[in-house]
Amino acid sequence: DVVMTQSPLSLPVTLGQPASISCRSSQSLVYSDGNTYLTWFQQRPGQSPRRLIYMLSNRDSGVPERFSGSGSGTDFTLKISRVEAEDVAIYYCMQATRWPLTFGQGTKLEIK
Amino acid sequence: EVQLVESGGDSVQPGGSLRLSCVASGFSFSTYWMTWVRQAPGKGLEWVATIKSDGSDKYYLDSVKGRFTISRDNAKNSLYLQMNSLRVDDTAIFYCVRGGGWALDHWGQGTLVTVSS
Repeated sequence: DVVMTQSPLSLPVTLGQPASISCRSSQSLVYSDGNTYLTWFQQRPGQSPRRLIYMLSNRDSGVPERFSGSGSGTDFTLKISRVEAEDVAIYYCMQATRWPLTFGQGTKLEIK
Repeated sequence: EVQLVESGGDSVQPGGSLRLSCVASGFSFSTYWMTWVRQAPGKGLEWVATIKSDGSDKYYLDSVKGRFTISRDNAKNSLYLQMNSLRVDDTAIFYCVRGGGWALDHWGQGTLVTVSS
């Protein structure tokens, strides 16, 4: 199975400052079609997860532009350009290149 | 608006069975793969099972193979998860999710399954 490792697991950030979450996979996530099936989810307290980014860097409809996804191969990053109060949540990366689908442990973003 | 409403969660003893249901609305259910994802209390997300749009292919987490069965009824816009031989470590919120693989784009509110003696 592909192991997804996120860091840090806890991320205190000052409002208005940038934030960055790393996600590393134990195998390359480049599929035979050339796409990289790396997804980012946000789970706010008490809510269901919400997809933010799919296929490495595609932002979902309604997701603020301050969220961006990047990376390649086995090394990926979710960046928030300027953190807002509503961004307090746990963020998960997930790979869908190989079965079984696997998630990272989650990174808890809090306001400092 | 896409809506996914799960039901069927309950408290059961180890070795027991439950059937979860998910009713979908707001999209053409029969054209989408569907997935179950679970989350143990205070823990992270874990993929459980996925079914193709026509039900012809199914994928399972190794630890649930032979115990859980994913199925669907496209005429009723419904997804199911039959869970047998439940274990304490199956305790979790189970989410119904639209899509399979990278396309897990809409999540239900979840239904809680508690396995305890």
